[in-house]
Amino acid sequence: DTEVTQTPKHLVMGMTNKKSLKCEQHMGHRAMYWYKQKAKKPPELMFVYSYEKLSINESVPSRFSPECPNSSLLNLHLHALQPEDSALYLCASSQGTHPYNEQFFGPGTRLTVL
Amino acid sequence: AQSVTQLDSQVPVFEEAPVELRCNYSSSVSVYLFWYVQYPNQGLQLLLKYLSGSTLVKGINGFEAEFNKSQTSFHLRKPSVHISDTAEYFCAVIFNAGGTSYGKLTFGQGTILTVHP
Repeated sequence: DTEVTQTPKHLVMGMTNKKSLKCEQHMGHRAMYWYKQKAKKPPELMFVYSYEKLSINESVPSRFSPECPNSSLLNLHLHALQPEDSALYLCASSQGTHPYNEQFFGPGTRLTVL
Repeated sequence: AQSVTQLDSQVPVFEEAPVELRCNYSSSVSVYLFWYVQYPNQGLQLLLKYLSGSTLVKGINGFEAEFNKSQTSFHLRKPSVHISDTAEYFCAVIFNAGGTSYGKLTFGQGTILTVHP
């Protein structure tokens, strides 16, 4: 099983809502990533978890809060977002963070903030 | 400054023609290089990567790329494209600054390849 699953596929939320994005993998990978991809732009790294510990935070605003409750699951909690946060949010996983380990990407959650 | 540049935002080509998608980078440290493909409304899939060794790397779906250190380039090629190759292609780099830099993929702006019948 080389699949990374993300739920929901689509999410529409208001600026005062709280919502969460979920990412799951069952490949035994110990590194997991969140990327943000705005329309017609490349993905940009947001967070990296290695062995369930946050190892990279790319100066992401605190309205985005990642959580890695176990080695298979990665969440992104959203609160008080802005319309400019509308984007495709991609999750990825790899055996480890070394470049020799391929990052496998999920299909993404398309988020619209009204 | 460390950066990745894809020189062409769009490349149209006819079916069965060869194609080259260009990627250049700027770095003061060593690099690891990747090409990813993204089909509409999907995540990214790794086509190939250069980590070390032979500068010509072969990937999936008949793609290959050559690392040229002096030109700081990593161009992607395919000798004969199919309609199904229509997608967006991203060049990506990990700048080897050690430590936590290992997890950081930096993507170029992307090249949309459109294959016409």
